Amino acid sequence: QQQVKQSPQSLIVQKGGISIINCAYENTAFDYFPWYQQFPGKGPALLIAIRPDVSEKKEGRFTISFNKSAKQFSLHIMDSQPGDSATYFCAASVRGNYGQNFVFGPGTRLSVLP
Amino acid sequence: ETGVTQSPTHLIKTRGQQVTLRCSSQSGHNTVSWYQQALGQGPQFIFQYYREEENGRGNFPPRFSGLQFPNYSSELNVNALELDDSALYLCASSLLTEAQYFGPGTRLLVL
Repeated sequence: QQQVKQSPQSLIVQKGGISIINCAYENTAFDYFPWYQQFPGKGPALLIAIRPDVSEKKEGRFTISFNKSAKQFSLHIMDSQPGDSATYFCAASVRGNYGQNFVFGPGTRLSVLP
Repeated sequence: ETGVTQSPTHLIKTRGQQVTLRCSSQSGHNTVSWYQQALGQGPQFIFQYYREEENGRGNFPPRFSGLQFPNYSSELNVNALELDDSALYLCASSLLTEAQYFGPGTRLLVL
């Protein structure tokens, strides 16, 4: 129940295209869903996050779509650029008075071709 | 505002040894979480420290222990190192229930 599933494992997109990465969870107590971007040799960097009281959040070229009933959420990268080539992780947590424990998906390796 | 820093960047140890990894949290943050990231996998939660006390723990044995200091910096200690402990160890700082910001990690190789 603590798992977060992520697909696809890898993704190749042409420059200017839309990259879509999907995640699914089981634990209905999760109430915070961030996406992280990680380049080789670096720590994950927070991209965008959403809480389950909204169905969509957009920041620049990055959009999270959230479907509470299906327990799924996805990251859309519009106008994908070669510089977006990285590994993307979705995560989920329960935010309580005693902090939060993030559960990460296994990651999606995105390659954007020039 | 300074970001999360970790030291050392790389470390090589032999099986059975002990290791200490260090993390300085981002200015203004009071919570530090540690994660283990094996090659090609997502980060796995080890534990979290808030106000110098352990505040949650993942599925890791007791030989993984930590400390948080009054300035909110933190240490991760691993005793009796095993080959499977080879990984990138990530520290993330935050306010207790807000977004976590990761450091660059310490890559540990156990031979």
